[in-house]
Amino acid sequence: AAGVIQSPRHLIKEKRETATLKCYPIPRHDTVYWYQQGPGQDPQFLISFYEKMQSDKGSIPDRFSAQQFSDYHSELNMSSLELGDSALYFCASSLRLPGATGELFFGEGSRLTVL
Amino acid sequence: AQSVAQPEDQVNVAEGNPLTVKCTYSVSGNPYLFWYVQYPNRGLQFLLKYITGDNLVKGSYGFEAEFNKSQTSFHLKKPSALVSDSALYFCAVRDGLRNDMRFGAGTRLTVKP
Repeated sequence: AAGVIQSPRHLIKEKRETATLKCYPIPRHDTVYWYQQGPGQDPQFLISFYEKMQSDKGSIPDRFSAQQFSDYHSELNMSSLELGDSALYFCASSLRLPGATGELFFGEGSRLTVL
Repeated sequence: AQSVAQPEDQVNVAEGNPLTVKCTYSVSGNPYLFWYVQYPNRGLQFLLKYITGDNLVKGSYGFEAEFNKSQTSFHLKKPSALVSDSALYFCAVRDGLRNDMRFGAGTRLTVKP
């Protein structure tokens, strides 16, 4: 079965540079989520999209932005990178079931290292 | 506000023994509870969920979880642990009012041969 695809898997950037992460959700899933997981931390919700519109917003810095495109893939853009942005970034997708009861399906993550 | 708490950073059990990983929750609406497992440098894999119905939920790899409304708990259990169960386990909650999922801090399970 198709899973959530994230690219790139690994990314190394310098401080103050810009990075873009891509996510391709499971076919027919209508909701995409972005999470940030720092070393030894639990995943922190950043932002979600439903049918290409922003749905919920979590602890996403103003330096970050995201969007979902017509083919449902999503991109997370991170600018003015800081050392503290080094983390594993997960994308997840789901079907928007009534009452938000559906489980999220996660990609393998993109590891960003800021030097 | 929705949140989950995992009171134990680490759980150690011997192979073949039963295991329990604890989780308590706090939500303002109906609790929709989930367990995920994460292996090193991998994504989170869904194990099981409680939405409604029977309080004992069965999931993947022989895991089950018991929903207890009075204690606001959703502990993950397995009758007989395997060394390959060693991983990081996350409890998560959705309250039906928001479209995100909130995770606990995680519990590292180590199963020793």
